[in-house]
Amino acid sequence: GNSVTQMEGPVTLSEEAFLTINCTYTATGYPSLFWYVQYPGEGLQLLLKATKADDKGSNKGFEATYRKETTSFHLEKGSVQVSDSAVYFCALGNDYKLSFGAGTTVTVRA
Amino acid sequence: NAGVMQNPRHLVRRRGQEARLRCSPMKGHSHVYWYRQLPEEGLKFMVYLQKENIIDESGMPKERFSAEFPKEGPSILRIQQVVRGDSAAYFCASSNSPGLSQETQYFGPGTRLLVL
Repeated sequence: GNSVTQMEGPVTLSEEAFLTINCTYTATGYPSLFWYVQYPGEGLQLLLKATKADDKGSNKGFEATYRKETTSFHLEKGSVQVSDSAVYFCALGNDYKLSFGAGTTVTVRA
Repeated sequence: NAGVMQNPRHLVRRRGQEARLRCSPMKGHSHVYWYRQLPEEGLKFMVYLQKENIIDESGMPKERFSAEFPKEGPSILRIQQVVRGDSAAYFCASSNSPGLSQETQYFGPGTRLLVL
């Protein structure tokens, strides 16, 4: 079956620090991979996605590369801001079903 | 343009009571998905519905859980005779296209259910 494992949190950083959240997956077939973000009191929002091996998804300074050989999709941002404080979920999708990791809480301090 | 709405945001029930969770999809969306997040775990797919039809309920517990998406009104996730293990966050998502549409699923803020 499909499963996603992501780095446990919480993660606390200073503004302008480098952020990386590890994500690995187990899947049948050729899933798409996603990162979702949840800001306090809001629903999950799609942050970025990659649909095939070696694809790089990017948005708002965040990047992640679909690595089939290591079954990974690590999220990175070179310089975080306070507004990046949120919960980040790694997910994989087969057809219409999404499978999520447990989420990583990130707090950025000014 | 309102997003996906869920209510209530927080729900407390005693063991044996019924819980009804509501989800209003985005305007124009006719596909609804329910996910459950147990403590310390990721969201897990429960059920996929289109208007008046259940398309896939493979993630639903076999007993006590049911879902509907009537022609008029919100989608309802119903949990009968709740137990403590039902305590979780329940998320609803909607989309305007069928099938391979995971990237276009828009999520609501979730309902946190606590069973005492």
